[in-house]
Amino acid sequence: NAGVMQNPRHLVRRRGQEARLRCSPMKGHSHVYWYRQLPEEGLKFMVYLQKENIIDESGMPKERFSAEFPKEGPSILRIQQVVRGDSAAYFCASSQGARRNYGYTFGSGTRLTVV
Amino acid sequence: GESVGLHLPTLSVQEGDNSIINCAYSNSASDYFIWYKQESGKGPQFIIDIRSNMDKRQGQRVTVLLNKTVKHLSLQIAATQPGDSAVYFCAETGGTSYGKLTFGQGTILTVHP
Repeated sequence: NAGVMQNPRHLVRRRGQEARLRCSPMKGHSHVYWYRQLPEEGLKFMVYLQKENIIDESGMPKERFSAEFPKEGPSILRIQQVVRGDSAAYFCASSQGARRNYGYTFGSGTRLTVV
Repeated sequence: GESVGLHLPTLSVQEGDNSIINCAYSNSASDYFIWYKQESGKGPQFIIDIRSNMDKRQGQRVTVLLNKTVKHLSLQIAATQPGDSAVYFCAETGGTSYGKLTFGQGTILTVHP
């Protein structure tokens, strides 16, 4: 049973380009959470999605960032027109259900570097 | 806003010693707390959790203590091993029923052989 799969592991983008980060939840998990981690800091919540629905996006920047979790396929975190301040590690976690301790598992993250 | 923070950013111990990592939280609605271990280049790994109706919970070599009066929790690691070297985070769900976690800054634990 594969864990939460994130790809790519490392992503380099020039300022102004788009970054697409993918998260495939564990088998049987239909809830996905995205977090951002800046160097030397803890993870910061960005968005919580269920299949085809955004439940809580209170941590998402208002501009340039979007997330989706389609009926089929992985969850996508999209960052348009990246800036150097977007450089960070982005983690997703998946769970079986909405309850907070229901099989909650993190992926290994995508490290985004904006040059 | 509400936050979860740690008293000590780094902790160095000798192999075999016991380690104690502390965490303060400010959200009085917090009712569920988790400790995570994060190794370099990896995602957070669940260690142990505790609900607010408990003040102590034990796992294998780890114990979490919760003091709701002063909004403080700690992680105790017994007989610390070099493989325990990592960054440790506390996290809480702020009273939400789903898994929206607020993380502390982290403590770097270094275990010397």
